[in-house]
This record gives sequence, structure tokens and C-alpha cells, in this order.
Amino acid sequence: DTGVSQNPRHKITKRGQNVTFRCDPISEHNRLYWYRQTLGQGPEFLTYFQNEAQLEKSRLLSDRFSAERPKGSFSTLEIQRTEQGDSAMYLCASSSTGIAFFGQGTRLTVV
Amino acid sequence: AQTVTQSQPEMSVQEAETVTLSCTYDTSESDYYLFWYKQPPSRQMILVIRQEAYKQQNATENRFSVNFQKAAKSFSLKISDSQLGDAAMYFCAYSLGDFGNEKLTFGTGTRLTIIP
Repeated sequence: DTGVSQNPRHKITKRGQNVTFRCDPISEHNRLYWYRQTLGQGPEFLTYFQNEAQLEKSRLLSDRFSAERPKGSFSTLEIQRTEQGDSAMYLCASSSTGIAFFGQGTRLTVV
Repeated sequence: AQTVTQSQPEMSVQEAETVTLSCTYDTSESDYYLFWYKQPPSRQMILVIRQEAYKQQNATENRFSVNFQKAAKSFSLKISDSQLGDAAMYFCAYSLGDFGNEKLTFGTGTRLTIIP
């Protein structure tokens, strides 16, 4: 197992387009988290899952954002009608015992 | 709501010396977990150390140790014998739940530079 994997690593999209990111967690981890990080800031929580159940969503997560974790395995984060303010690094993490292992992130640039 | 504050945006230290990074937090909970994460320029976040609030003993991991002051809500990280590979952004974080496996609340980070 090579850790948490995120794809794509970079995404450039035009304003108004939809984008989808994928996260493959460490296989035995039942918790999966999404965070957003802008330059010079700490990561901000977006949402997290325990197995396939979405347990919490941040108020930061507008209706344009949706996340899924079918069958409790990989997860996808979709942003509809992207805006320039969505430009950020999107980080995924997984855990089973409270130690979160992070992926390398997907850098989104909205032009 | 819980908040985490890191008041040192940047710190530098001479190689082989010791440096302390500061963190304060605010919470009304009595049981929680505190973490220091390191984010090197490659941007993958790595756990440095974890502290359970119910434990009075300060956590240590090799050259890394914490000074946990629960009453003062302070959680500083000491790096001894600094090495070039320690250069990174360091984030203090807070969590609740079993083993601290709920969401992490992060501070704004401290950029640590190691001077050869």
C-alpha cells in the first residue's frame, strides 16, 4: 500500500465548468476527510466519511460542492459551476486510529 | 467553536540548534487531541506528534517534543538538533472523538527555515 492517492494532481478549468477529484484512501482506513487549503493558510475542513456515511459537512461547503464515498472505498469531490474563489489545493486524508494520513492533494486553478 | 492560533508566521534556526514553535487553542471540551503536522515543500502533510489531553505527560518522538499546558491551552513544539530536512510549514491542529479521529482544526502555520 502506497498511502493516500489523489487524482489528478493538477487541474486547470474555466470558470463555470464542473470538476471532479478522486481520493483513494489507505485500504483499511474507515474514515476519509476532505480539506481545502489556500496559499499561506492551514487546511480548512470540508467534509468527512465513516465508511460510506457522510458524517459532517462544513458550512464552507456550498451547494455547488458534493462528495461521495460509494461502498466505503474511494471518494469523489465534485465542484459544479466553478468560481475563481474555488482555486485552492484540495487535500484528502484517511485514518482508522485518529492519525490522519494525507495525500499530496489536487491543485485546482480556475481561470 | 474550537480555534487554533499560531502566532509565529516564520521562524528560523541554525542547524543543530533547538527551536520552539508556539500554539494556543480555545475549546470548552475536556477530552481532545492535539497534533503537530509538518508540510514540506512537496505539500504532503505528515504527522509529527500527537498529544492526548487527558495525559499529563508530554509526548515525545525522537528529536520532537511538546510542552502541553492544559490550563493555559498552550501546546508548543520543540525541535532539538535541527536538521535541514526539518525545513517545512508546521501546523498545529486540534481534534475530538475516539483517538482524535473527528475533523482536524488547523492553525495558520509556521514556516520553519533551517540555516546551514
